[in-house]
Amino acid sequence: SQQGEEDPQALSIQEGENATMNCSYKTSINNLQWYRQNSGRGLVHLILIRSNEREKHSGRLRVTLDTSKKSSSLLITASRAADTASYFCATDRGSNYKLTFGKGTLLTVNP
Amino acid sequence: IAGITQAPTSQILAAGRRMTLRCTQDMRHNAMYWYRQDLGLGLRLIHYSNTAGTTGKGEVPDGYSVSRANTDDFPLTLASAVPSQTSVYFCASSPEGSYNEQFFGPGTRLTVL
Repeated sequence: SQQGEEDPQALSIQEGENATMNCSYKTSINNLQWYRQNSGRGLVHLILIRSNEREKHSGRLRVTLDTSKKSSSLLITASRAADTASYFCATDRGSNYKLTFGKGTLLTVNP
Repeated sequence: IAGITQAPTSQILAAGRRMTLRCTQDMRHNAMYWYRQDLGLGLRLIHYSNTAGTTGKGEVPDGYSVSRANTDDFPLTLASAVPSQTSVYFCASSPEGSYNEQFFGPGTRLTVL
């Protein structure tokens, strides 16, 4: 069963705009990760946020985590056409569990 | 260039045939994983290996087997392929001591007719 669920399923924006994607999950976690997948390629790790962290930045990426609401958001600022991809959240519930991926958000950035 | 390679890139297979998907990494990562990706279902874990010599079942292991004879290789075998195994298969690895960040291969697109 899916632990993480991304919202929205698809998002279309203009270059230069910000893109926000959300992820909700069901059980307690050790960390939450975001991955990007370009069409026809493998997933690429973007950023990890631990359960005791509330916000993390990496370049144009900003991730927040609200463990009380069991949700996370990924913000991509000043988007570029090259950001067009599917974005997945993945939750890690601890050493006896493996990453559980959501179904992804398809982001299209129009030039 | 360090990373994960998968072979073949794509394959069309007749139902009932045996098929082995290959995965090799040169990063000396302890943990390795096999996922399948299907439209509308996201990525689902098939099998994993925490270290050479050990394997475990994931979410959808039926019809698949794996082995981990050494650190670098983690082949996935379909003993008798069925059409429902048509999918894109990704191999991934994760270094020991990490927070389970995973590095993915380019995928194998498998069609079972």
